This record gives sequence, C-alpha cells and structure tokens, in this order.
Amino acid sequence: KQEVTQIPAALSVPEGENLVLNCSFTDSAIYNLQWFRQDPGKGLTSLLLIQSSQREQTSGRLNASLDKSSGRSTLYIAASQPGDSATYLCAVRELSSNTGKLIFGQGTTLQVKP
Amino acid sequence: SQTIHQWPATLVQPVGSPLSLECTVEGTSNPNLYWYRQAAGRGLQLLFYSVGIGQISSEVPQNLSASRPQDRQFILSSKKLLLSDSGFYLCASTGYNEQFFGPGTRLTVL
Repeated sequence: KQEVTQIPAALSVPEGENLVLNCSFTDSAIYNLQWFRQDPGKGLTSLLLIQSSQREQTSGRLNASLDKSSGRSTLYIAASQPGDSATYLCAVRELSSNTGKLIFGQGTTLQVKP
Repeated sequence: SQTIHQWPATLVQPVGSPLSLECTVEGTSNPNLYWYRQAAGRGLQLLFYSVGIGQISSEVPQNLSASRPQDRQFILSSKKLLLSDSGFYLCASTGYNEQFFGPGTRLTVL
C-alpha cells in the first residue's frame, strides 16, 4: 500500500532563506507527483506537477525534483518570503490508477518570519 | 486550467439534518471528479470519485453519498448528519494529468 510521508511537519525560517521540503513515497510505481500549497481555510493550489519520466520542474522561485527509484521528491523554495507561509502538500498518482486518484502526505506547515 | 466552484463556503447544521454540497467545474469536459474531507489536524481523505455521469465509487464506508447528475456537476449529500461529519470538504477535478481543487466548504455539525 502506497504511503506518502512529509518531513518535517512544521518549519520556521527567517525571510530570505532558501529551504527544502521533503516528500517520500513507499512504492516507486508512480504516474506522477504533484506539489500543492494550502493557505489556512482555503483550497489547494497546484504548484508543480512532475511526470514519472521527469527529474524536475521549475516555476519561478520553486523547483521540484523527483527521484523515483529512491522514492523521494523535494520542493526547493529560493529566497523565501512571508507570503510563502502556508502548508505544502505532496501527492502521488500511482501507475496502476486509471482514475487519477492521489495519495497525499500530511503536509509541511511553513512559516517565513519577516 | 480548470476552475472549480463550491458552495456554500461555510455551513453550520444541527445533528440529524440533511446535507447537500455542490461542486461545478469549468474549463474541461468529461473530468474525473473527487470529494475529499480534511478534518482538523488530519490529512486529506478521499471520500468519493467519479469517472463519468452517474458513476460513483466510494472509498470509505460512511454516512455520506455522492451523485453526478451532469458531466461537470458533483454533489455530496447526507440524509442525517453526524457530529463526526464536521470538516472541510474539497471538490477536485482531474483533466489529463493535473488535479485541481475548489475553494472548499467548511461544515460544522452541532
């Protein structure tokens, strides 16, 4: 059974720092991996989607990498800002899924202090 | 990209009352649709998914039901709410690869 783990559960950093959020999954037979951002009381916003054949995706200050063989993905945030404060979730879609179901980690709550 | 609408945004209901939450999707056709629940301090739990009109699959046994009367409309219902039904309900849609989420409905059952 696929399990997705995110460590740490919470992270607090000063503004301007570069940081890495980690996501691990137990079964490497994935179709893709998606990173989301969730602000308090809001829905999820898709940040980056990495297909299983890809190694990384970039959007602005965000870079997500995927190492399928080791079951790991990282989300790198450069020059963090207070506006980056939110909960970040990763989710995998299994190769065997023909319904697009995602399996989510518990999330990392990030606080960027001014 | 897709746009997903959910209403109401917040809802306070007494135990034993009925429930109907609605989700509509714009910007795509024939999407897979999903209902998730996010309880306080817990992760996202997939409740239902649908691959087409009238096709509903339930992930966990519960007090809730779902229906898909139109291609881009997904409804979450209950005949009698329980206290444990409180939570944040999210509707999601998958087109080709990426999954998109609606703004959510905060349900409080008293």
